[in-house]
Amino acid sequence: GQNIDQPTEMTATEGAIVQINCTYQTSGFNGLFWYQQHAGEAPTFLSYNVLDGLEEKGRFSSFLSRSKGYSYLLLKELQMKDSASYLCAVRGGNYGGSQGNLIFGKGTKLSVKP
Amino acid sequence: SQTIHQWPATLVQPVGSPLSLECTVEGTSNPNLYWYRQAAGRGLQLLFYSVGIGQISSEVPQNLSASRPQDRQFILSSKKLLLSDSGFYLCAWSAANTEAFFGQGTRLTVV
Repeated sequence: GQNIDQPTEMTATEGAIVQINCTYQTSGFNGLFWYQQHAGEAPTFLSYNVLDGLEEKGRFSSFLSRSKGYSYLLLKELQMKDSASYLCAVRGGNYGGSQGNLIFGKGTKLSVKP
Repeated sequence: SQTIHQWPATLVQPVGSPLSLECTVEGTSNPNLYWYRQAAGRGLQLLFYSVGIGQISSEVPQNLSASRPQDRQFILSSKKLLLSDSGFYLCAWSAANTEAFFGQGTRLTVV
């Protein structure tokens, strides 16, 4: 089966750094994705990891360890507008079959306080 | 550049009525297309995916169906809506193993 776990909620302070963890178990692996979703809106793509290591994009970084089935999203210099849900998604193996689809975790709701 | 259009943005339908949600993609050929549903406080659930015209796969049993009459058109339908069909429906597209891009979503309330 396929399973993706991430914390339900997190709270952080404006200007701080926050790390959102994601663990996964999937049939095969073809990449891990992070999305941001503001309330009532569609998810927007943040980052993509397919090899082990850290990918940095401005204030956002994402890390992947395939051997551990683990990823994290790091948000630096938090701003109030970063309050949103952050979704971890994994594309499994055997692309074209059901296992190659993008499967989402339930998301982590991040609240940024002044 | 590629764009994805989904409509309507909101919809209120009575129980037992039919449903048709449409999604179109521009600026790309042979996209992989997806329908997801997000119930209140829950994650994104994959409903249907399509890798080509007329090729539809269902991930979960339900009273919904999907069709892909043209390369860049994906339609979600139901003959008779249930209360449990309420939710936020999202269409998405991707190319091969790349990230998925989402439409604006349709908030469906079945009353």
